[in-house]
Amino acid sequence: GQQVMQIPQYQHVQEGEDFTTYCNSSTTLSNIQWYKQRPGGHPVFLIQLVKSGEVKKQKRLTFQFGEAKKNSSLHITATQTTDVGTYFCAGVFLGGTSYGKLTFGQGTILTVHP
Amino acid sequence: SAVISQKPSRDICQRGTSLTIQCQVDSQVTMMFWYRQQPGQSLTLIATANQGSEATYESGFVIDKFPISRPNLTFSTLTVSNMSPEDSSIYLCSVEDRGQGGNTDTQYFGPGTRLTVL
Repeated sequence: GQQVMQIPQYQHVQEGEDFTTYCNSSTTLSNIQWYKQRPGGHPVFLIQLVKSGEVKKQKRLTFQFGEAKKNSSLHITATQTTDVGTYFCAGVFLGGTSYGKLTFGQGTILTVHP
Repeated sequence: SAVISQKPSRDICQRGTSLTIQCQVDSQVTMMFWYRQQPGQSLTLIATANQGSEATYESGFVIDKFPISRPNLTFSTLTVSNMSPEDSSIYLCSVEDRGQGGNTDTQYFGPGTRLTVL
């Protein structure tokens, strides 16, 4: 089936350092969404990217969608301890077995050392 | 965004028994989804719960093991039947928010049900 691959699996940073997680799909996506799950919590919607080459910012978070709509990234500038959690990308595929549904990447677990 | 509640929040069950999880939304929604998140893993879609019709199950999930009800546009249940320790997971319901444009298809998640099967 169609999959979304996400790397890295883990990232440990010092507070103040930057952090990036990447997602790649083998086929073109209709859109991609990003979610954050705090330890012990549930996934919380962060943002949706729809257009080719789209870039969106939320304070220290920058989200990008590739020109071919097959890859995406989330970049956090100057991490803080409140950024701790697992970041998931979730793609919506065009056609195929996963049509119209969210397919989640494996997630990147971010830990921030104060 | 919709406010979603789930019951129970957690449970410890014996193998061979069944547990029904409830999902309540504060507004009418067309699409409701049930996911499983095994310890340390990502989210896997179990099925899509459609009001007025049978649920649509993903590969690897069957109705006999995970029967779903969707009696109205604000409520759904997922039953985990004949449980084994491998069913120990977090079970999450979510709803789709189509937004003003009608096609955003973002999802909002309930708090989850943490199930441990002994």
